[in-house]
Amino acid sequence: NAGVTQTPKFRVLKTGQSMTLLCAQDMNHEYMYWYRQDPGMGLRLIHYSVGEGTTAKGEVPDGYNVSRLKKQNFLLGLESAAPSQTSVYFCASSYSGPTGSLPQHFGDGTRLSIL
Amino acid sequence: AQKVTQAQTEISVVEKEDVTLDCVYETRDTTYYLFWYKQPPSGELVFLIRRNSFDEQNEISGRYSWNFQKSTSSFNFTITASQVVDSAVYFCALSPPSGGSYIPTFGRGTSLIVHP
Repeated sequence: NAGVTQTPKFRVLKTGQSMTLLCAQDMNHEYMYWYRQDPGMGLRLIHYSVGEGTTAKGEVPDGYNVSRLKKQNFLLGLESAAPSQTSVYFCASSYSGPTGSLPQHFGDGTRLSIL
Repeated sequence: AQKVTQAQTEISVVEKEDVTLDCVYETRDTTYYLFWYKQPPSGELVFLIRRNSFDEQNEISGRYSWNFQKSTSSFNFTITASQVVDSAVYFCALSPPSGGSYIPTFGRGTSLIVHP
């Protein structure tokens, strides 16, 4: 049982390049999230999804796009990378049902540097 | 709107000291869930505890204990006899009840450094 898997783990981009971060979960969770973590800022929500085919903006969505074509996958795209997007990115998934909001399961993170 | 405040940015203690990490939250919901997560230097985020707003009993798990006080909107985390392995960033989070947009709100985290 892999849980939440993020690829890649590290990446260096040049300003203006594009890339896609992949998140895959094998727990059949409805909810998936993308966060970025910067020093002193905690976890900030970029985009989230409450089910296959649906996405919504979080706290800091600008410069990012997402897609959830399959329930188990949640993709985060950077169309034109900027140095301000240098960060550690975390994907998470969770279940929320009759028993209430359950803990999020996090991937190991992707360290992204934009030069 | 929900808000979670972890006023302590960084705490430094010597091994075997007790330490309390504060978490204060704001919500208009009558039912909600509170969480603590640990992020060790290796970087992964690990779930520690979930608390339902209807359950105000304190919880103890080994050296860890949690004090939930609805009257003061606080959910504090105490580590007894701290160890070097407790060094990590600890996040408190608040979630609304199930249904609708289930979006947790995280505090900014408290960095705990335990010196040998």
